[in-house]
Amino acid sequence: DTGVSQNPRHKITKRGQNVTFRCDPISEHNRLYWYRQTLGQGPEFLTYFQNEAQLEKSRLLSDRFSAERPKGSFSTLEIQRTEQGDSAMYLCASSTPMGATNEKLFFGSGTQLSVL
Amino acid sequence: RKEVEQDPGPFNVPEGATVAFNCTYSNSASQSFFWYRQDCRKEPKLLMSVYSSGNEDGRFTAQLNRASQYISLLIRDSKLSDSATYLCVVNMLKHGGSQGNLIFGKGTKLSVKP
Repeated sequence: DTGVSQNPRHKITKRGQNVTFRCDPISEHNRLYWYRQTLGQGPEFLTYFQNEAQLEKSRLLSDRFSAERPKGSFSTLEIQRTEQGDSAMYLCASSTPMGATNEKLFFGSGTQLSVL
Repeated sequence: RKEVEQDPGPFNVPEGATVAFNCTYSNSASQSFFWYRQDCRKEPKLLMSVYSSGNEDGRFTAQLNRASQYISLLIRDSKLSDSATYLCVVNMLKHGGSQGNLIFGKGTKLSVKP
């Protein structure tokens, strides 16, 4: 499978625990995005990387959220001290922009987080 | 104004109907516009990019109005298989920058009935 891979598919945790999600993008893609989606809403932008550089992180929901892409390949999203409001689907997408105005995102299947 | 705003929906239409979705965006510097489709419990997938001159792909037509900061998607002769949520996506450029964040609207749900 050469698509975007996310692990785990589901994560159930207790409030206050830390969780980490992994995303493996399509190998030749240099951009990687993280989104959060709750029921009935569109994906909410969190952060994105160009290779290993995190170009936007001001939209991470709080300082409990952090993301890394240390070698410009896979990425991790960590949520510390989880809260019930963090329960959502966390989506990763990758792309290789074809010019300034043409960028197709390929999404993974997401990690569904449930905080009890 | 919200960064990307869409018709709330849901749209319930009979097969064969023509349906139009609208989307407005707040950042006049935005240069990239897209429509994505998301099926229930699936990830979003690109439906089509939106170009300045407007573009068509089969039964789907996308239009861009930069002056009004508005994009649209028209679906003609709708099929049962068109039932999905349609997401408007805009590249929110930072002032003076060339990079941007791809921001999704909340989506409009379409149900096509036999």
